[in-house]
Amino acid sequence: AQSVTQLDSQVPVFEEAPVELRCNYSSSVSVYLFWYVQYPNQGLQLLLKYLSGSTLVESINGFEAEFNKSQTSFHLRKPSVHISDTAEYFCAVSELGSNTGKLIFGQGTTLQVKP
Amino acid sequence: GAVVSQHPSWVICKSGTSVKIECRSLDFQATTMFWYRQFPKQSLMLMATSNEGSKATYEQGVEKDKFLINHASLTLSTLTVTSAHPEDSSFYICSAQRIVGDNEQFFGPGTRLTVL
Repeated sequence: AQSVTQLDSQVPVFEEAPVELRCNYSSSVSVYLFWYVQYPNQGLQLLLKYLSGSTLVESINGFEAEFNKSQTSFHLRKPSVHISDTAEYFCAVSELGSNTGKLIFGQGTTLQVKP
Repeated sequence: GAVVSQHPSWVICKSGTSVKIECRSLDFQATTMFWYRQFPKQSLMLMATSNEGSKATYEQGVEKDKFLINHASLTLSTLTVTSAHPEDSSFYICSAQRIVGDNEQFFGPGTRLTVL
């Protein structure tokens, strides 16, 4: 069985500062890894994903995440945040080759960007 | 591409009534759709996995007679909350998975259910 731990429930940060949202996972098999963002009263939007290949993946709006197999981590980073990045961020894993495709979500991290 | 819609976006109903929520994949076919429930300030809780043409698979603790799921076509799944009570009030989110994919799920915008 897989599990996902997001170590920080809330991360306050000033605009234009760098940020890291931490995600660790536990699994006995290989996994796919995802970061989703949720704005208030909306569904989830995929931010980025790791399936295979390069361990560093990037999104179109400046976020990046690095898959670290030895540390079982998939931390999300952005070098300079904007007010509009304020949202809830969810890390998720899915078992590689699973025929169910189930996603296991972390508890979520609220990113609060202050002016 | 890969847009998922939900209808309605919000609904208020009286206790004891039933409410149907639709989830549609607009520009792709989805053999598998998922239904989640989200309480305020909390993560998503998977309720059930819905496969086209077969019975849904419910997660432990989810009452299948209360939360009826139908996946009649490759683009439509419905969740019916039967005999709703105030404790069923929540944000319900669906997602859909493409037939040929990488386990990525595309999420709908969610439905806010309030039971009075």
